[in-house]
Amino acid sequence: NAGVTQTPKFRVLKTGQSMTLLCAQDMNHEYMYWYRQDPGMGLRLIHYSVGEGTTAKGEVPDGYNVSRLKKQNFLLGLESAAPSQTSVYFCASSHGQTQYFGPGTRLLVL
Amino acid sequence: AQKVTQAQTEISVVEKEDVTLDCVYETRDTTYYLFWYKQPPSGELVFLIRRNSFDEQNEISGRYSWNFQKSTSSFNFTITASQVVDSAVYFCALTQAGGSQGNLIFGKGTKLSVKP
Repeated sequence: NAGVTQTPKFRVLKTGQSMTLLCAQDMNHEYMYWYRQDPGMGLRLIHYSVGEGTTAKGEVPDGYNVSRLKKQNFLLGLESAAPSQTSVYFCASSHGQTQYFGPGTRLLVL
Repeated sequence: AQKVTQAQTEISVVEKEDVTLDCVYETRDTTYYLFWYKQPPSGELVFLIRRNSFDEQNEISGRYSWNFQKSTSSFNFTITASQVVDSAVYFCALTQAGGSQGNLIFGKGTKLSVKP
């Protein structure tokens, strides 16, 4: 099992560009999450999904959109990237209360 | 509101010393879960332990032990005989049991440096 994987590992964007981060899990988990981690901060929840076709807002959803068309995939989109979205993005999935995390995507917005 | 406080921003110890990482939480829920995650320099987040609010037994796993005390709303983590490989940022987290499983609240983390 690969667990939770994220694509890409690193990306540089210019302000205003768009991109999509892909998260995939092979554990058949119902729940999936996107977090961002900024220096000196813990992780903050952006959006999450409780099952295929469903999404919900977390603590810091502004500027992001998500889709869960397939159970194993959870996409995070930035329509118009801003420097404030420079961060490390983590995806997680869970069955029950324990969340398992992917390796992270480092995003730099210039 | 739920909140997790890790008052120790950074701790530095010498190898073989014992070290305790503090975690204090706030919640109005009567049923909840507490977690510890490790983030080594490579950046991934590694799950270490989950404890539910009804289980106050301390847990030991090798050199790691956890002390959960509801009376003081604390869930402290002790590493015995620390090693260089224990160097990492450690996060304590809290979630509500049942209901929305998206509500995982993290502390800001404690950076542990273990020097040889």
